[in-house]
Amino acid sequence: QVQLQESGPGLVKPSQTLSLTCTVSGGSIRSESYYWSWIRQPAGKGLEWIGRVYIRGGTNYNPSLKSRVTISVDTSKSQLSLRLSSVTAADTAVYYCARVRRVAGEFDYWGQGTLVTVSS
Amino acid sequence: DIQMTQSPSSLSASVGDRVTITCQASQDINTYLNWYQQKPGKAPKLLIYDASNLETGVPSRFSGSGSGTDFTFTISSLQPEDIATYYCQQFENLYTFGQGTKLEIK
Repeated sequence: QVQLQESGPGLVKPSQTLSLTCTVSGGSIRSESYYWSWIRQPAGKGLEWIGRVYIRGGTNYNPSLKSRVTISVDTSKSQLSLRLSSVTAADTAVYYCARVRRVAGEFDYWGQGTLVTVSS
Repeated sequence: DIQMTQSPSSLSASVGDRVTITCQASQDINTYLNWYQQKPGKAPKLLIYDASNLETGVPSRFSGSGSGTDFTFTISSLQPEDIATYYCQQFENLYTFGQGTKLEIK
C-alpha cells in the first residue's frame, strides 16, 4: 500500500520561503509510471494544483505560481520537496502531495495534508 | 489554461435520491476528466477516471459520463456516507480542478 506523508513547518513568515517534504513508502518513487505532485487547499475553498515532477527529469508548474515554485525529488530518501518563495497570507492552506498516473492523469494516492499558515 | 466549471456549488438531497453534478470545460478535453470525493478533514479520494471508469473498490452507485466539454457525475441512490464535496479534474493540459460541489443530506 502506497503511503505519502507531508512534513515541514506549520508557520511561515510573510516574504519567506515555504518548504515542505513528502516521504513516499510502500511504492517506488523511481517508477516511470507516475508523476509526483503538490496540491493545496485554502480553508473552506477548492483544490489548486501546484506542480509535478517526473523521475526521468522535468517539472511542470501551475502558471499562476510558476515564478515562485520549485519541486524536486530525492530518490535516495524517497522524498519529494516543495519550495514556495515570497509567501503571503494568500498562501495559507493545507498542502497535499500526491501520486499521479502518467497515462491517465489520476491522483490515485494522497498524503493526509499539512496545514501551513503564513503569518508574522 | 483550461477552466473547469462545476454546478451546482451545493446540493441538498435525501437518502435514496439520484444525484447529478455537472462539470463543463472551457475547451475540448476529450474524456480526460476525473472525479474525486473529499470528506471534511480528509484528502480527496479518486472515484471515476477518464470520464466514466470506476476506480477499483468504489461502489457501483457512482458513475460518470461525457466527453468534449460537458461531463456528468451521478450517484444513483444517495447514501448517508456520500456526504462530501465532489471535484472534477481535467488532465488534457496539465491539471485543473473544478470549484467543487458540496453535497448535504436533506
